[in-house]
This record gives sequence, structure tokens and C-alpha cells, in this order.
Amino acid sequence: QKEVEQNSGPLSVPEGAIASLNCTYSDRVSQSFFWYRQYSGKSPELIMSIYSNGDKEDGRFTAQLNKASQYVSLLIRDSQPSDSATYLCAVNRGLDFGNEKLTFGTGTRLTIIP
Amino acid sequence: DAEITQSPRHKITETGRQVTLACHQTWNHNNMFWYRQDLGHGLRLIHYSYGVQDTNKGEVSDGYSVSRSNTEDLPLTLESAASSQTSVYFCASSGGQGAGDTQYFGPGTRLTVL
Repeated sequence: QKEVEQNSGPLSVPEGAIASLNCTYSDRVSQSFFWYRQYSGKSPELIMSIYSNGDKEDGRFTAQLNKASQYVSLLIRDSQPSDSATYLCAVNRGLDFGNEKLTFGTGTRLTIIP
Repeated sequence: DAEITQSPRHKITETGRQVTLACHQTWNHNNMFWYRQDLGHGLRLIHYSYGVQDTNKGEVSDGYSVSRSNTEDLPLTLESAASSQTSVYFCASSGGQGAGDTQYFGPGTRLTVL
């Protein structure tokens, strides 16, 4: 079982709709969760981080975390063509110093259809 | 503005040669990381450092080495390049404020080993 699993896609969503991206993780002690966006040929950039159960909203993006189910998701509302990218889920085991390395999923490729 | 740079951006080398990829950050971050990214595997951690003179092996460290002599730089060396090391390499850094810290990525180096 992979430590961090994502559906590789591609996921196609019409412009203006909600895109839903999912990620599961195997290490129950994981504490920090991140969503990175990566455009083709570019480096990953952080779009959301979440540490507590529940929802966290930032503009059109909402991250959802359920530690009991070991599940984290990213919702993109009012999807735009510029949201077309690969979305990487990353997990960290702890919140303390000296434990900052991340484990990444393989990413979900999202395509927004105009 | 603070940034993280990688050089070269593209490199073609031959099997058996030693190759060094440079990573330089001006964020004054304590933590630096090297990843490789391959289709189907996502981002995998090669080596990481939490400060000067500190280095640690990641999940795919065989055939790679790093050294950290100052805060700004973490060069990655392939001792004897192999075709299996053809990949895109990303360097990242974070501020060492705890495991919730954002990792900032460099632009990447595309390495081809013939």
C-alpha cells in the first residue's frame, strides 16, 4: 500500500463546475497535509495546507480533512481553465521541528473543459 | 526577492560520469530537500538537510550524495550516473518552523543519462 494515494486521472470538469480531488494516506500519525499545484513543465507550488479535521477555505479552494478516515480532499469551485494542472497531495508525520519532510502522492491531472 | 534556483536547467551526460546539480536559496531557510519526479512515481525524496553539516537519506538515496557546507546551498551529486537516474530533479527549502512549514520549490533540472 502506498503511503499517499491519489487517483491519477485525468479528471475532466466543465468550466464553472466544482472539481473534487481526493487523497488517502496510510500513516495514522500524520499531522500536516498539503495540496500543491503543478503546471506542466513547472515546479510544484503550494495552494493549501490543513492540520485540523474539518474544512479550510481560501478563495475558490476548500481543503477537507478527516483523520479518522485518513482522507483529505481539495474542492475547487467555479473551475477555470487556468486550474488545469496536476494536483499533488503531500503528508507530513508531525508538527514538531526536525520532522519536516513530506511524502507526496503521484498526483491527479485535472483538465477544465471550456 | 528571495528565491531558490537550480543549475543547470538541462543536462545530458553519459553513463558512468559524475554529475553535480546545484541548488541555491536566498530564503535563509534551514531545511533543504532534493526530490526526483518520474511518471507514475510522483515526487520522491532523495536527500534532505535540516541545517549546515546535517544530511539525511530519503527513500531513493542510492547513487546520490549531498553535502551542506553553508545555509544557502545543497548540491546533489550523482557519483556514477546511470540511465535509471534520468529524471527531473527538484530542490526545495523550508524555514524550519515546524512540520507545518511550506516547502518552496526550485524550477527543476531535467537530467538525461545516455
